[in-house]
Amino acid sequence: DTEVTQTPKHLVMGMTNKKSLKCEQHMGHRAMYWYKQKAKKPPELMFVYSYEKLSINESVPSRFSPECPNSSLLNLHLHALQPEDSALYLCASSQDIRESGNSPLHFGNGTRLTVT
Amino acid sequence: QKEVEQNSGPLSVPEGAIASLNCTYSDRGSQSFFWYRQYSGKSPELIMFIYSNGDKEDGRFTAQLNKASQYVSLLIRDSQPSDSATYLCAVNTYLGGATNKLIFGTGTLLAVQP
Repeated sequence: DTEVTQTPKHLVMGMTNKKSLKCEQHMGHRAMYWYKQKAKKPPELMFVYSYEKLSINESVPSRFSPECPNSSLLNLHLHALQPEDSALYLCASSQDIRESGNSPLHFGNGTRLTVT
Repeated sequence: QKEVEQNSGPLSVPEGAIASLNCTYSDRGSQSFFWYRQYSGKSPELIMFIYSNGDKEDGRFTAQLNKASQYVSLLIRDSQPSDSATYLCAVNTYLGGATNKLIFGTGTLLAVQP
C-alpha cells in the first residue's frame, strides 16, 4: 500500500467541467509534487510545493491550478481541459526539496484522467 | 538542457538470468540517482537510490554508480517474470536557490521470459 493517497482513481470530465484531484500524505514530508504521465512516456513534472509554498511551476497552462492547503494535502484544480490533457496524474512527496541526498520521491497510485 | 538517457528496450532475458539496465546522464553536478519500477497502468515504485560511487546491493538488486563516466546501472539477479516492467532511471539536478529537481529517463521495458 502506498503512503501517498490520491483520489479519485479515475475521472472522466468534459471540456467545460471543473474538477479537482486530491492528494494526501502522512509521512511528514515537506515537499509535494504533481506529475503528468502519458502512455509510454516518463513522468513530466508540473508543480512542486516546498513547505506549502509553490517552488516550481513548469510553465503549466493556467487551466491547471495547484493548491497546498497544508503540509499533508495537495490539490490540483482542473478547468476547461482539452482532450490532450488526458493522462495519468501522479502526486508525489519527499522529505525536503532542498536536500539532494536521501530524499526520494514517493508516488501515489495516480488518477487516470480522461477528457471528453 | 539536463538529460537522462536509457535504452527503451524491450530488454528480454530468460527467467533466472541477470538483467542489466543502464542509464547515462548529462549533469556532472548530479549527486543522487534513483531507480523506479513501473508496471503497466500503475505508478512508479522506488527500487533503489545511490549517491556514492560503487555498488549498492539490496536483495536481488544492485545499483552501480560511476560519476566519472556519468553512468548508473541496475542489475537484477535471478530475474523473475514478476520483474517484467518499465524501469525508470531518475537523476537529481540542482536548480539553484536550494532547489532540486528529479529528471527522469524514458525508461527501459524489461521482459523476463518464463
